[in-house]
Amino acid sequence: GAVVSQHPSWVICKSGTSVKIECRSLDFQATTMFWYRQFPKQSLMLMATSNEGSKATYEQGVEKDKFLINHASLTLSTLTVTSAHPEDSSFYICSARDRERGNHNEQFFGPGTRLTVL
Amino acid sequence: AQSVTQLGSHVSVSEGALVLLRCNYSSSVPPYLFWYVQYPNQGLQLLLKYTSAATLVKGINGFEAEFKKSETSFHLTKPSAHMSDAAEYFCAVSASGGYQKVTFGTGTKLQVIP
Repeated sequence: GAVVSQHPSWVICKSGTSVKIECRSLDFQATTMFWYRQFPKQSLMLMATSNEGSKATYEQGVEKDKFLINHASLTLSTLTVTSAHPEDSSFYICSARDRERGNHNEQFFGPGTRLTVL
Repeated sequence: AQSVTQLGSHVSVSEGALVLLRCNYSSSVPPYLFWYVQYPNQGLQLLLKYTSAATLVKGINGFEAEFKKSETSFHLTKPSAHMSDAAEYFCAVSASGGYQKVTFGTGTKLQVIP
């Protein structure tokens, strides 16, 4: 149980285009989803917290107009990188908090999406 | 405020040897503590967690960790390393209670030498 999927697993796009990444909780309801960015050989940097049916909360320094997050249902959150540039190339990981087990702050992680912007 | 310090960005052990990955935390309130493992190009998988019950926590794949409040530590151990244990390990902390933000350490890459 507690499986999180991400799609696509990797994407290559041209500079200036937009890319959408999906994060789904497959066997549980996720009231909260998190989006992280991970640079090579570094830890996870929390970008934003997404609550179902409400606006995402962005961490300091993260441009909300560039990284659009939508959490339309209890099982789906999307991250759209708008007008992508090479410096946006990174590994993006989502995680979800199980509605039934949220009291322990445990997060279940997706497999990540490797974005390369040419 | 909370933070995690992982001592040693790289740790090498021989196959069959003890694995010890160090984690110290800082938290102004009682914490919850986690260890996650990440294999290349994958997301993170929870190994174990401390949520104010038993101080010695057993996780998957033979790993365990002990919460020591006096030392503000939560070191991860495994008696005998396997080649399949080679991966990146992240310690994380949150405040106790539900729906708290989790802060991750910078990670320790474990290399297992045959």
